[in-house]
Amino acid sequence: AQKVTQAQTEISVVEKEDVTLDCVYETRDTTYYLFWYKQPPSGELVFLIRRNSFDEQNEISGRYSWNFQKSTSSFNFTITASQVVDSAVYFCALSEVSGGYQKVTFGTGTKLQVIP
Amino acid sequence: EAEVAQSPRYKITEKSQAVAFWCDPISGHATLYWYRQILGQGPELLVQFQDESVVDDSQLPKDRFSAERLKGVDSTLKIQPAELGDSAMYLCASSLEGGLAGSDTQYFGPGTRLTVL
Repeated sequence: AQKVTQAQTEISVVEKEDVTLDCVYETRDTTYYLFWYKQPPSGELVFLIRRNSFDEQNEISGRYSWNFQKSTSSFNFTITASQVVDSAVYFCALSEVSGGYQKVTFGTGTKLQVIP
Repeated sequence: EAEVAQSPRYKITEKSQAVAFWCDPISGHATLYWYRQILGQGPELLVQFQDESVVDDSQLPKDRFSAERLKGVDSTLKIQPAELGDSAMYLCASSLEGGLAGSDTQYFGPGTRLTVL
């Protein structure tokens, strides 16, 4: 069975600090996809990134970067020079095919508070 | 930019009453998902539709919950009767194909926050 663990329940940082959100996953499949979503206080989950299991290149998008390490089953998310607008709950998710259809498992989320 | 629409945004009801939530996915998206998110937890799948067919409702409490997507477009999730433990955020998401390779990105609506008194 697939599983996603986000061990950090809450993190507080001061604005402009860098912060890394951890994600560890479990799967028996060789083909799978990993996602990060942001959930601001308004409630809507906003898609940030998708990564497939065959692409271990790190990715950078502005202040956001992602480090995928298959050897440790981790897909960590770093925010550089954090801003107050980054305050939200961040979810890591694992997607596989089950019974012929996509099945997505979410972690429990990490609440990030950026203090001005 | 296309969005997933949900209504109502907030719903307060008393236990044993019936409630219904509506979702309109992004146009052209074949797959629609209903998730329940309890405060402090991640979303948990209740039901997944591929067009008008249910492909996964293994976690749907079928004694009180029902879902339909009659024309393969918008969808309704109903709870009857509501219980105190049903208080949660109900999220709808859609994706283009349902991903035979598991690669589809899910796009979420704003959710309906249900409070059962």
